[in-house]
Amino acid sequence: EIVMTQSPATLSVSPGERATLSCRASQSVRSNLAWYQQKPGQAPRLLIYGASTRATGIPARLSGSGSGTEFTLTISSLQSEDFAVYYCQQYNNWPPGTFGQGTKVVIK
Amino acid sequence: EVQLLESGGGLVQPGGSLRLSCVASGFTFSSYAMTWVRQAPGKGLEWVSSLTNSGGYTYYADSVKGRFTISRDNSKNTLYLQMNSLRAEDTAVYFCARGLEGGARVFDYWGKGTLVTVSS
Repeated sequence: EIVMTQSPATLSVSPGERATLSCRASQSVRSNLAWYQQKPGQAPRLLIYGASTRATGIPARLSGSGSGTEFTLTISSLQSEDFAVYYCQQYNNWPPGTFGQGTKVVIK
Repeated sequence: EVQLLESGGGLVQPGGSLRLSCVASGFTFSSYAMTWVRQAPGKGLEWVSSLTNSGGYTYYADSVKGRFTISRDNSKNTLYLQMNSLRAEDTAVYFCARGLEGGARVFDYWGKGTLVTVSS
């Protein structure tokens, strides 16, 4: 089973600043990686798939990059609605589609 | 508007059974693979089970294989998860999710979830 490791566990960022979240796979997943956002008490929301394709309705300030084992989610200018937990998920070796443990983005 | 509404969660004793349901609306249910994902209290996401649009192929996490059964009734736009031999570690919010572009690996719409608590 592929293990997904996200860093940092918590990221403290001021509104308007740039946030960079990392996700590493224990072996190559090519570009078969998705990112989800989850706010407290809510369901996850798909942000990015195919490592860099934004899902419907996702603003351009969110972008994904990477391939193989190293991936990044960048939020170019943090808005209040971006403070949440972010999960990466590999779907190259499926099943199972393994998730990372999450990165919590908090207000600095 | 795509909507997924889970139900059937609750408190159950270890060794007990529960059946979750997920009613879908706003899309052609029979065209999409569907999935259950769970989240233990304060923890991350764990894929549980998926099945294809026709229900012909099913997939399970090792942690639930042999105890859980996923199924669907396309005439009722409903996804099910039959959970038997429940354990304390099955305690979680269970989300149903639709597969992106009909596939089973990425999830573009999620329900709000239903809480399953396994405790004596």
